[in-house]
Amino acid sequence: EVQLLESGGGLVQPGGSLRLSCAASGFTFVSYAMTWVRQAPGKGLEWVSTISGSGDSTYYADSVKGRFTISRDNSKNTLYLQMNSLRAEDTAVYYCAKDGRATAADDPYNWFDPWGQGTLVTVSS
Amino acid sequence: DIQMTQSPSSLSASVGDRVTITCRASQSISNYLNWYQQKPGKAPKLLIYAASSLQSGVPSRFSGSGSGTDFTLTISSLQPEDFATYYCQQIYSTPRTFGQGTKVEIK
Repeated sequence: EVQLLESGGGLVQPGGSLRLSCAASGFTFVSYAMTWVRQAPGKGLEWVSTISGSGDSTYYADSVKGRFTISRDNSKNTLYLQMNSLRAEDTAVYYCAKDGRATAADDPYNWFDPWGQGTLVTVSS
Repeated sequence: DIQMTQSPSSLSASVGDRVTITCRASQSISNYLNWYQQKPGKAPKLLIYAASSLQSGVPSRFSGSGSGTDFTLTISSLQPEDFATYYCQQIYSTPRTFGQGTKVEIK
């Protein structure tokens, strides 16, 4: 069974940093691109970042480009999101998700499945 | 960026009703469109991929259609467990944008 377990969320002050982790199991981690999606309280879903299976290719939403860094450790089956210069508008539940197909990270014939349970990041003074 | 617009934003329906949710893309995305269901406090769950392919394990009362810019998610006979928020997502290009969501509530 595929499982994704996020951790690392919490309360941080504006301008601070936080690193999220997503521990994966039940599939060949290196074969799949992975993604972070966030959801602000009471709001919809926002794609944040995607990384290819090898880690060579990364993609970011404009809202986080230059502040967030996605990475992965394929030896530990773990996905990361380093978040710097955090703002109040970054407050959200952050989900990690696995690509449905083991293909290129920018292949449009794909989907996110499954998703982790999410970890809450609150940016507030 | 490709904008995804869902309609309606919310709807009230009864058990057994046929429900249709529409998603429109700001430019053609072929059939690179997915649908997700999200219940309160839970992670989204994939329902439909590639516009019309039913994800394994998803009840057959869910169906998707469309191509280009206009897409539809249909629930043929609404069940109590279907009351949730539904999101479309284009995966044609980055950023992989979502619609704003459609909340299906009990009438």
